[in-house]
Amino acid sequence: AQKITQTQPGMFVQEKEAVTLDCTYDTSDPSYGLFWYKQPSSGEMIFLIYQGSYDQQNATEGRYSLNFQKARKSANLVISASQLGDSAMYFCAMRGGFSGGYNKLIFGAGTRLAVHP
Amino acid sequence: GAVVSQHPSRVICKSGTSVKIECRSLDFQATTMFWYRQFPKQSLMLMATSNEGSKATYEQGVEKDKFLINHASLTLSTLTVTSAHPEDSSFYICSARGSPSPGEQYFGPGTRLTVT
Repeated sequence: AQKITQTQPGMFVQEKEAVTLDCTYDTSDPSYGLFWYKQPSSGEMIFLIYQGSYDQQNATEGRYSLNFQKARKSANLVISASQLGDSAMYFCAMRGGFSGGYNKLIFGAGTRLAVHP
Repeated sequence: GAVVSQHPSRVICKSGTSVKIECRSLDFQATTMFWYRQFPKQSLMLMATSNEGSKATYEQGVEKDKFLINHASLTLSTLTVTSAHPEDSSFYICSARGSPSPGEQYFGPGTRLTVT
């Protein structure tokens, strides 16, 4: 069975500082994809970044980078130079290979990030 | 970019009535659509996966007779909550995958259902 774990229910960061949101996963599939989404209070799911299990490089998208450690099965999100608008709920998600249901995107419990001025 | 819309954004209905939520892919063909439910302060839970023209596949514990899903075209899927009860009050989010980028999954803005 596939599982995504986010152990930080809430995080605080000072504006302009960097913050790391933790995510670990469990799967028996050799091929899988890892995603991070941001959900502001409006409820929409905003795609941030994607990492494929076979990607050699860590994914980066602007201020977002994914610290992918395959052996440890972790896919932490790093947000650099935090902004007040980064305050939101952040979800780590995984889409697995055939045994996990290729179509399925399963989500972690989420981490609520608060950016303080 | 690909856009997915949901209608209505908010709905209030009385207990025992049915309510239909629409999910549309506006600028791409959605071969697969997903319906999620999110309770306050909780994560998204996948309810069902639907492929165009075929029956939906429901996740374990989701009542298929209560949550009717229809994916009749490549741009529209509907979720009907039948005989709604207050415990069905939740945030329902759809997402879609399809051509020309089948690896991408796009989310709708969600529908907040309140059953009184």
